[in-house]
Amino acid sequence: DAGVTQSPTHLIKTRGQHVTLRCSPISGHKSVSWYQQVLGQGPQFIFQYYEKEERGRGNFPDRFSARQFPNYSSELNVNALLLGDSALYLCASVDSQDYNSPLHFGNGTRLTVT
Amino acid sequence: DQQVKQNSPSLSVQEGRISILNCDYTNSMFDYFLWYKKYPAEGPTFLISISSIKDKNEDGRFTVFLNKSAKHLSLHIVPSQPGDSAVYFCAASWRSGGSNYKLTFGKGTLLTVNP
Repeated sequence: DAGVTQSPTHLIKTRGQHVTLRCSPISGHKSVSWYQQVLGQGPQFIFQYYEKEERGRGNFPDRFSARQFPNYSSELNVNALLLGDSALYLCASVDSQDYNSPLHFGNGTRLTVT
Repeated sequence: DQQVKQNSPSLSVQEGRISILNCDYTNSMFDYFLWYKKYPAEGPTFLISISSIKDKNEDGRFTVFLNKSAKHLSLHIVPSQPGDSAVYFCAASWRSGGSNYKLTFGKGTLLTVNP
C-alpha cells in the first residue's frame, strides 16, 4: 500500500514569494496534519484537517494556510516567504476510525528560501 | 518553552548492547506518548506508543517505560543493531482533550550503533 506522498520533494523559493505544498494521505485516512521541522528541532504542529474542516492550528502566522479536498488530499500554502520558513514540511495522515492509530508521516518537502 | 525535552542530542552504543533514550515532559495534560525514528531524507516512522494508564509497553526489541510522577519516559532497544542508527523523537499528545493528532515533539536524539 502507498504511504503518505508529498510533492514536490525539494523546492527553492525567493523571499516574498508564495509556495504550495501537496500531500496525499494513505488510502482510507480522512485526517491530515502538517508539521514544520526546522534543522536541529523536532517537528512542530501547523494544522490538522478532518473531513475538509480545520480541526486544529498551531502557533503559526496567518501567512500559513491549508485546505483539504473531497478526496482527502491536502495543500499547505505559505505566502510572503521569509528566510525563516526554510524547513522540512511534513504531512501526516491517520486512520481516525482507529483511536490507537498513530500518525503516519510522508517523506516531506524540503523548502529553501533564499 | 519546550514541553517535551530530549536532553541528550546524541548517543553511541555497541551492537548487541542496550540503547536507552530518555525524554522528559512538563505538561501534565499529556496522556499519550510516542516514539518515532527518522532516517535522513525520510519522514518520521512510528515505533511504539504508551498511554498514561500504563507504565510499560513492549514490542519486540523496543520497550517504552513511563514514569508519570517524574514526567519521564524512556525507550529501550535490546539488542541494538546498526540499522537502528537514526534520530529518535519523543512525542506527546493530550488525547483525552481531543488533541489526538497534535503531537508535541522533542528535539530528537541521534543514536549511533557501532558494529
